[in-house]
Amino acid sequence: EAQVTQNPRYLITVTGKKLTVTCSQNMNHEYMSWYRQDPGLGLRQIYYSMNVEVTDKGDVPEGYKVSRKEKRNFPLILESPSPNQTSLYFCATRVPRRTGDTQYFGPGTRLTVL
Amino acid sequence: AQSVTQLGSHVSVSEGALVLLRCNYSSSVPPYLFWYVQYPNQGLQLLLKYTTGATLVKGINGFEAEFKKSETSFHLTKPSAHMSDAAEYFCAVALNNAGNMLTFGGGTRLMVKP
Repeated sequence: EAQVTQNPRYLITVTGKKLTVTCSQNMNHEYMSWYRQDPGLGLRQIYYSMNVEVTDKGDVPEGYKVSRKEKRNFPLILESPSPNQTSLYFCATRVPRRTGDTQYFGPGTRLTVL
Repeated sequence: AQSVTQLGSHVSVSEGALVLLRCNYSSSVPPYLFWYVQYPNQGLQLLLKYTTGATLVKGINGFEAEFKKSETSFHLTKPSAHMSDAAEYFCAVALNNAGNMLTFGGGTRLMVKP
């Protein structure tokens, strides 16, 4: 079954404590992406990756890092989380050279930074 | 750069009534257009998409949307609402280029009254 998995699904942390949200896909897609969802703002892209070792900033990259060392995984790293990073985060994948192709979304990670 | 505007953050209809969710976009090049649905505590699922060809696109669960270039619109409709349609709906646009960024509207929460 085609799947995008995220862990953890829920996380409450404190300001400044480094955290990583993992994303894994089994569809062999080259393109992976991270979004954050905030009320009234829809989803905004944080970072994306066209392939292994290739990453690029999206609309709202400040305060985030990513890495793409292997095709199936695309972790999102918050080195020093702040309360304004409290949000719902989604990982997504698709075939990169066909922009009209569907993006497949993970189930989401709800992060609260106190 | 592209942008998406969804008119009405909340829409309420009675069961059996017409559903109309509005989406307008701006794009400097011919866009790809998408509607995604998000049920409570779930990730986004593709409802339908327009890439090329027929401007009236049919999707899952009886939804359809029409691409109107002259109006820069891609409104989502369903002739008869069902209680199970209650969810949040997102319109999104992608450009046919290597940037691969999917830009989302702010979302419309659809409520269906019995």
